[in-house]
Amino acid sequence: GAVVSQHPSRVICKSGTSVKIECRSLDFQATTMFWYRQFPKKSLMLMATSNEGSKATYEQGVEKDKFLINHASLTLSTLTVTSAHPEDSSFYICSARDASGSVRETQYFGPGTRLLVL
Amino acid sequence: QKEVEQDPGPLSVPEGAIVSLNCTYSNSAFQYFMWYRQYSRKGPELLMYTYSSGNKEDGRFTAQVDKSSKYISLFIRDSQPSDSATYLCAIRGNAGGTSYGKLTFGQGTILTVHP
Repeated sequence: GAVVSQHPSRVICKSGTSVKIECRSLDFQATTMFWYRQFPKKSLMLMATSNEGSKATYEQGVEKDKFLINHASLTLSTLTVTSAHPEDSSFYICSARDASGSVRETQYFGPGTRLLVL
Repeated sequence: QKEVEQDPGPLSVPEGAIVSLNCTYSNSAFQYFMWYRQYSRKGPELLMYTYSSGNKEDGRFTAQVDKSSKYISLFIRDSQPSDSATYLCAIRGNAGGTSYGKLTFGQGTILTVHP
């Protein structure tokens, strides 16, 4: 089945530093990847849609200069939280859309990255 | 009105029970319907995917879609403690452009199956 990985799984950093999270589709090519944020016991909140080779599309209220997204290849997208602050602490999850095969209109999720900003 | 409504629960059932999870949606343009299962501190895992009205069965899981009522359900038969998780419905339209592939999620229902 389709596998999406994320790295790191957990990161603790000091306020003011930047953190990069990687999302990889391991056994399929993903022209589109999505970045979500999830608070405890809440549903997923879409932050941005990442298209390979073009600029990401951000949802309303999400600061594009704060959350930098790069989708440089068909299997890798990165999210960089710049100048992180404690309120950025959250569970960040990526997903990748498999545009081929029999289940081609859905998304497969990574295991998530837990960010704690001190 | 939210685009997708899902009862957050929590829902607690004994092992072996039949579980019914439901979502309603408001936009008739939605055409693809999915159910995800999320264990604590993990990413969501795709359980069921369908794009037409009717039932789709996969083992102990049955997904049901009623487009006329804008209502989708997930049934779990012979529930097990390992089914304890948060279940999220997700719906997608057929819009193109930069919104292509974007999912709209329900709030998630927390399910506990106790032995």
